[in-house]
Amino acid sequence: QQQVKQSPQSLIVQKGGISIINCAYENTAFDYFPWYQQFPGKGPALLIAIRPDVSEKKEGRFTISFNKSAKQFSLHIMDSQPGDSATYFCAASISSGSARQLTFGSGTQLTVLP
Amino acid sequence: DVKVTQSSRYLVKRTGEKVFLECVQDMDHENMFWYRQDPGLGLRLIYFSYDVKMKEKGDIPEGYSVSREKKERFSLILESASTNQTSMYLCASSLASANVLTFGAGSRLTVL
Repeated sequence: QQQVKQSPQSLIVQKGGISIINCAYENTAFDYFPWYQQFPGKGPALLIAIRPDVSEKKEGRFTISFNKSAKQFSLHIMDSQPGDSATYFCAASISSGSARQLTFGSGTQLTVLP
Repeated sequence: DVKVTQSSRYLVKRTGEKVFLECVQDMDHENMFWYRQDPGLGLRLIYFSYDVKMKEKGDIPEGYSVSREKKERFSLILESASTNQTSMYLCASSLASANVLTFGAGSRLTVL
């Protein structure tokens, strides 16, 4: 079974600090790596994504770093804010013929203290 | 501005009952998905559909079935609910061959 391993399970960061969440995958056929953000009572929503031909992608305070040889990617949240407190899921996507399928990591609950 | 609607946010059912979870999307998306979310396990794919009346099993289809009679509607069916099906169920949709999923807010099911 295709897997995406995510760590840590929970993370507490002070306001203004850097939050780092790591993911590792096994299947080299994965070709798209999104991060989803989920607030309590809401469904996950796409935050940022990267393709394996790029080593880094930045959108505002959020950056994905991608290491293809190590089969690892990570989310960095700079200047973390209390409003960033949410659950974050990494994922990896592959074409299955009839539709693209996402395999999700186990999630990281981020708490940013004021 | 709701795009994926799960009609039941909270349900409490008894073991053995038949459960229907309904999902409607208004974005004319070809693909629809049902995921199950459990703490420490992330989101696991139960079933997905790439067209009306078409379905494919995901990673954990046992104990579930689905129905897609109209493009905008995708239903998850628990024929005989069990306590280990207590969970948050998330519906999502996407355009054909698209990478981005739009999720509903979820249906929290408790089976007693």
